[in-house]
Amino acid sequence: GENVEQHPSTLSVQEGDSAVIKCTYSDSASNYFPWYKQELGKRPQLIIDIRSNVGEKKDQRIAVTLNKTAKHFSLHITETQPEDSAVYFCAASRGSSASKIIFGSGTRLSIRP
Amino acid sequence: DGGITQSPKYLFRKEGQNVTLSCEQNLNHDAMYWYRQDPGQGLRLIYYSQIVNDFQKGDIAEGYSVSREKKESFPLTVTSAQKNPTAFYLCASTDPSGRQGPLYGYTFGSGTRLTVV
Repeated sequence: GENVEQHPSTLSVQEGDSAVIKCTYSDSASNYFPWYKQELGKRPQLIIDIRSNVGEKKDQRIAVTLNKTAKHFSLHITETQPEDSAVYFCAASRGSSASKIIFGSGTRLSIRP
Repeated sequence: DGGITQSPKYLFRKEGQNVTLSCEQNLNHDAMYWYRQDPGQGLRLIYYSQIVNDFQKGDIAEGYSVSREKKESFPLTVTSAQKNPTAFYLCASTDPSGRQGPLYGYTFGSGTRLTVV
């Protein structure tokens, strides 16, 4: 069945450094890849997404890359700040009328001051 | 709450009791979803509905039931058959057609934390 694997499960970086979270997916028909940020006790919030016709997308300090041949995509956060501390989820979807999204298991990112 | 409301925020269930979690959205979204989140884990799909009067089982549907009588509402019932119901439950909606906004992105409710007592 459809599966999304996410690594690492926990990540600690020094404030100001970069953080990278990687995901792989199994369904070759997937063409929509969102990333969600969940702060403690709160709902997940969409922070960036990418579609299969694009290899890279950037929004200020956040960027996502997609390698459709290898079926993997990554989230890059540069110049990390304390407010970046949260759990990040990658996800994949076929993006059609069957629009369910399969989530990765999450990465707990901690920013050290 | 961004157009999708879950209630209650906290819910306590006794052994053998059925409880119903509410999810209401005013975004005119066609599709709605229920996810379960356990501590330190990802989101697992329980049920989803792409249109009124129709719903599909997700990966962990056993012990749960849903209904979709109105476009705005997608309540989840946790039955006594669910042996380990303590978790954080998230409802989400989306507009698959893209008419209401970005294609395919979910809007989440603020969640219901269910505890068995």
